[in-house]
Amino acid sequence: DAGVIQSPRHEVTEMGQEVTLRCKPISGHDYLFWYRQTMMRGLELLIYFNNNVPIDDSGMPEDRFSAKMPNASFSTLKIQPSEPRDSAVYFCASITAGGLYNEQFFGPGTRLTVL
Amino acid sequence: GDSVTQMEGPVTLSEEAFLTINCTYTATGYPSLFWYVQYPGEGLQLLLKATKADDKGSNKGFEATYRKETTSFHLEKGSVQVSDSAVYFCALKKSQAGTALIFGKGTTLSVSS
Repeated sequence: DAGVIQSPRHEVTEMGQEVTLRCKPISGHDYLFWYRQTMMRGLELLIYFNNNVPIDDSGMPEDRFSAKMPNASFSTLKIQPSEPRDSAVYFCASITAGGLYNEQFFGPGTRLTVL
Repeated sequence: GDSVTQMEGPVTLSEEAFLTINCTYTATGYPSLFWYVQYPGEGLQLLLKATKADDKGSNKGFEATYRKETTSFHLEKGSVQVSDSAVYFCALKKSQAGTALIFGKGTTLSVSS
């Protein structure tokens, strides 16, 4: 299995631009999570999906952030407009509901820099 | 709310030294506990886990014991290697399937030869 795939690996953009981050979970996994990692706040959950349906988006920082999962093999996290404080590493992770204590598998992350 | 507290880093050790990274948690019920490791430029990988009190998780020479009485899950290794240099995250997860992990802030370990 290829694991969780994220693209792009690095993104540099200017303030005010729209940014779209992409994630392909492991095939057969029922849950997909988006996390953000910063030096100040560490790893924070932004949103997660179960069977393509958003379950908890309470971690999404503000309306500039949106996430979708149109099918079981693809999810996007969009920031519009982007701001310098959005600079962070964004991770996608997936898990199967088949076991209560299963490991969450993480993608390699997208390093976003907003100038 | 539920939370995880890790010792502040960075931790700097010489090769073959003993490692301890402290982790304590606050949670209702009976969470599962995890240690994840992040090597430079990579995503997080599960290092070990424990799902109930007194369980010991172990992997690659690392160990951690789930201590409910002290709400702790300290990570230990008897002899670290340069290749262990990474960021280590303690995390908890409630028992319901599919709930998100709650992470500590991470502890950076640097091992020199």
